[in-house]
Amino acid sequence: DAEITQSPRHKITETGRQVTLACHQTWNHNNMFWYRQDLGHGLRLIHYSYGVQDTNKGEVSDGYSVSRSNTEDLPLTLESAASSQTSVYFCASSGDIRNTGELFFGEGSRLTVL
Amino acid sequence: AQSVTQLDSQVPVFEEAPVELRCNYSSSVSVYLFWYVQYPNQGLQLLLKYLSGSTLVESINGFEAEFNKSQTSFHLRKPSVHISDTAEYFCAVKGSSYKLIFGSGTRLLVRP
Repeated sequence: DAEITQSPRHKITETGRQVTLACHQTWNHNNMFWYRQDLGHGLRLIHYSYGVQDTNKGEVSDGYSVSRSNTEDLPLTLESAASSQTSVYFCASSGDIRNTGELFFGEGSRLTVL
Repeated sequence: AQSVTQLDSQVPVFEEAPVELRCNYSSSVSVYLFWYVQYPNQGLQLLLKYLSGSTLVESINGFEAEFNKSQTSFHLRKPSVHISDTAEYFCAVKGSSYKLIFGSGTRLLVRP
């Protein structure tokens, strides 16, 4: 079965370190998204991509970057981790975002920045 | 900019009681509306969606939601909840942009 996987599921890091969260999907979806989930804020969009070599900033993109070199992967990089980036991060993909907006989510990556 | 408001952060209810989770959105254009559910330590899963047609949409596990354009609402209801319905529920909207905007979530806590 097609799926979307995130790694690592849990990570603890220190302030200032670079961190990369991986997202891999086997749906062959063109559209991929990164959200962060924080209590009281729901899910907020960080970055998104509509295809290879395409990346776009979401509402909370500062301090994050993504790259899309192939269809399957959209890694999220925190260039210099800050305590404010402690959160649960969800990757999602969609094959038909322009028509319906339905997303398929990974199980999340919990990041703690000390 | 579009926004989604879920008025209740937590809704406690006894098993077999009815429940309504409220969702209002702001948009002046046609929208697609969604409810996603998140069980503990899992990602979000689509529960139901409104794209067009009948304003009442149903899920396979007994939930339903009604699109009300005049009130810009998409409330989620279930006539009789189970312990297994305990989860966080997110309302989301997609309008003219290609992005899905989520509400802040409502935690449904079903007590025996």
